[in-house]
Amino acid sequence: DIQMTQSPSTLSASVGDRVTITCRASQSINNWLAWYQHKPGVAPKLLIYGASSLESGVPPRFSGSGSGAEFTLTISSLQPDDFATYYCQQYNNYSPTFGQGTKVEIK
Amino acid sequence: QVQLVESGGGVVQPGRSLRLSCAASGLTVNNYVMHWVRQAPGKGLEWVAVIATDGIDKMYADSVKGRFTISRDNSRNTLYLEMNRIRPEDAAIYYCAREGPHGSGRCGYFDYWGQGTPVTVSS
Repeated sequence: DIQMTQSPSTLSASVGDRVTITCRASQSINNWLAWYQHKPGVAPKLLIYGASSLESGVPPRFSGSGSGAEFTLTISSLQPDDFATYYCQQYNNYSPTFGQGTKVEIK
Repeated sequence: QVQLVESGGGVVQPGRSLRLSCAASGLTVNNYVMHWVRQAPGKGLEWVAVIATDGIDKMYADSVKGRFTISRDNSRNTLYLEMNRIRPEDAAIYYCAREGPHGSGRCGYFDYWGQGTPVTVSS
């Protein structure tokens, strides 16, 4: 299986901050990477697919970049609704795998 | 509007069986590749199983292979996960999810998710 490693595991930030989360794959996954936002008791929400394509309806303050084995999710100006856990997921092979998650907390 | 509603979770003893359901509205399950994903307490997300549009091709995570079976009932527009020989490590919230349209050809991402149904394993 392809291992996905996110950093940091926890991030403390304030409203208005620019936030960057990194996701590294154990091998190249081309651009086959998605990002999700997850809050307790709520269905996970797709933010980004194809490493940089913004899902319909997702605010443009979210952006994704990277290719090969290193990727980033950036929130340009953190909003109160953005405090949540974020996961990356690779879909390069038949067994999709997720990163361990990055919890974005209020500073 | 796409909606996925899971049910069937609960408390189950180790070694017993449970069947989870995922009722779909706003989409026809046999037109999409559908998945189950789970999240154990305090852990991250883990992919569990996938069923192709033909209803025949299915794949499973190694952790559940041989014990879990994914299926669907087109007439009920419902996805299922039959869980047999349940282990303590199967305790999790189980989500059904639709695969998005721009996958790699080998797998995909998940563009719609249900809110999940919890499975607790306890003797």
